[in-house]
Amino acid sequence: RKEVEQDPGPFNVPEGATVAFNCTYSNSASQSFFWYRQDCRKEPKLLMSVYSSGNEDGRFTAQLNRASQYISLLIRDSKLSDSATYLCVVNGGDDKIIFGKGTRLHILP
Amino acid sequence: GAGVSQSPRYKVTKRGQDVTLRCDPISSHATLYWYQQALGQGPEFLTYFNYEAQPDKSGLPSDRFSAERPEGSISTLTIQRTEQRDSAMYRCASSFRGPTGELFFGEGSRLTVL
Repeated sequence: RKEVEQDPGPFNVPEGATVAFNCTYSNSASQSFFWYRQDCRKEPKLLMSVYSSGNEDGRFTAQLNRASQYISLLIRDSKLSDSATYLCVVNGGDDKIIFGKGTRLHILP
Repeated sequence: GAGVSQSPRYKVTKRGQDVTLRCDPISSHATLYWYQQALGQGPEFLTYFNYEAQPDKSGLPSDRFSAERPEGSISTLTIQRTEQRDSAMYRCASSFRGPTGELFFGEGSRLTVL
């Protein structure tokens, strides 16, 4: 089983819709969780950290379920500019930081 | 420096040659990571450093790959006897707070092995 698994997509979603991605991780000792965003031909950039109690940043909501070892990202009122690849990121129980393969999102006008 | 700097940005080499990629992290950052990213895939962990220590190099694909950070700042990734399958984007990232903090990536070094 891969350390971090994501549905690669692509998700094709009309502008204004709500979209959700999930990610599962295999190491129960993992302590830090993040979502990164990567635009085409660019480097990954931090979108948001994921906290145990769940957290929100504007239109973005992240949730962590430790019992089931999954992380989710919800994007409300999606914008054309949200089109990107979303990378689920987990620390592997130590200082190693593991990226998922990413989920591609296309927002359609 | 202001951001993470990687060089060269592009490297084309012939199979069997050695290549060295360089990463200059943000100056206050103790932790430095190397990743390999194929087109359409997420970054794959190669190795990381805390200052000059290299606690984990489990992601290095073979003994042809090695990395150094001798003075705890600039790091190099060396690939010996390159093979076509080594062609990829090599990304360096640094972090102030290790695995709990944000990773700041450089623009990457794209390696093409002919």
